Amino acid sequence: AQSVTQLDSHVSVSEGTPVLLRCNYSSSYSPSLFWYVQHPNKGLQLLLKYTSAATLVKGINGFEAEFKKSETSFHLTKPSAHMSDAAEYFCVVSVPTSGTYKYIFGTGTRLKVLA
Amino acid sequence: DSGVTQTPKHLITATGQRVTLRCSPRSGDLSVYWYQQSLDQGLQFLIQYYNGEERAKGNILERFSAQQFPDLHSELNLSSLELGDSALYFCASSRDLQETQYFGPGTRLLVL
Repeated sequence: AQSVTQLDSHVSVSEGTPVLLRCNYSSSYSPSLFWYVQHPNKGLQLLLKYTSAATLVKGINGFEAEFKKSETSFHLTKPSAHMSDAAEYFCVVSVPTSGTYKYIFGTGTRLKVLA
Repeated sequence: DSGVTQTPKHLITATGQRVTLRCSPRSGDLSVYWYQQSLDQGLQFLIQYYNGEERAKGNILERFSAQQFPDLHSELNLSSLELGDSALYFCASSRDLQETQYFGPGTRLLVL
């Protein structure tokens, strides 16, 4: 069965320090993987996506993620956190099902950035 | 701005009532998805339409229904509302079936 596990429900970092949000996936297929960010009372914004081209994917706002098939991981990183990065982050895998594709969401990681 | 629009932004209603949420997908997108986000259940997929036809169903209650119109906008109808239906309802759209989904800003529903 396809699934996504976000290993931390909450992460706190100081402003200017690196961010690491962890995501492991389980998929029988070659997966399409995504990271979305949700700021308070806002919709989900696409940060980046992996669709089997390069294993290191660069996204918006300085975020990037590396697809590691051997570890079934797709961790999200940023070299230096900014206060505006405080939000909830969702790891998503897209899987084929009954003639279409559906998103399976992780449970989310809430990132707190300390001044 | 994703290009997906949802109306209304906020909705307050009473138990037993019926409401309609509206979604306009990005220009050129054929597929529309509806999701419910609540504190206790997280993000739940409700239903997907593709070019006017229902394509996939998720955890959608029988009291809820949706449709996609010829101009590709979609409506989600929620009836016999209960307190537990209070949530954020998101619409997303994609160009085709395997494409990336882009989310609207959501409609926050409060049932009193």
